[in-house]
Amino acid sequence: NFMLTQPHSVSESPGKTVTISCTRSSGSIASSYVQWYQQRPGSSPNNVIYEHNLRPSGVPERFSGSIDSSSNSASLTISGLKTEDEADYYCQSYDTETWVFGGGTKLTVL
Amino acid sequence: QVQLVESGGGVVQPGGSLRLSCAASGLIFSNHGMHWVRQAPGQGLEWVAFIRYDGSNQYYADSAKGRFTISRDNSKKMLHLQMNSLRAEDTAVYYCAKEDYGDDGPLSGWGQGTQVTVSS
Repeated sequence: NFMLTQPHSVSESPGKTVTISCTRSSGSIASSYVQWYQQRPGSSPNNVIYEHNLRPSGVPERFSGSIDSSSNSASLTISGLKTEDEADYYCQSYDTETWVFGGGTKLTVL
Repeated sequence: QVQLVESGGGVVQPGGSLRLSCAASGLIFSNHGMHWVRQAPGQGLEWVAFIRYDGSNQYYADSAKGRFTISRDNSKKMLHLQMNSLRAEDTAVYYCAKEDYGDDGPLSGWGQGTQVTVSS
């Protein structure tokens, strides 16, 4: 099966833009949808991007997703950072009866 | 709105068993495939098991195969995870989560989680 690799942590200042990457180890990143989840401390995960680049209702437009087949990776971009965006972010995808999460990225907004 | 409420967690000795439950409300439960996902202390999310909307198929992570059984009762809007031969490394918060559509769709709703601690 495949793995999804994320940076352990990223940090950026309020108002700036940050991008979190998620690289698929084998198989095409485009072969199955990538979702992204936000998990604030002490809370359950919450889906913020689905099908590579779609936002569930209620998720701000500041959140966007994309994939890049050349690097076999997906990205979550958050613009206009707010302190409330500080959280752990997980990418997730699927292949043949197996659902895989990335290791998670801790976003610090300082 | 959609509510998923897990229960059944607790402290159990290595080799013991535990049955987790997830009560669903605010949705047509029988329309949704359901997952169990766990999170060990200070660690990331790990998918554990999935069951189709009608219970026809179940899939497991390698770490759960042969020890855990996922099941559902659509008449009662309940999801279960029977965990046997528990190990210390099964210590985690266990979440139930619903999918909206298709195997590669998002886990669009999550419960608050139930803590499982395996310790002697």
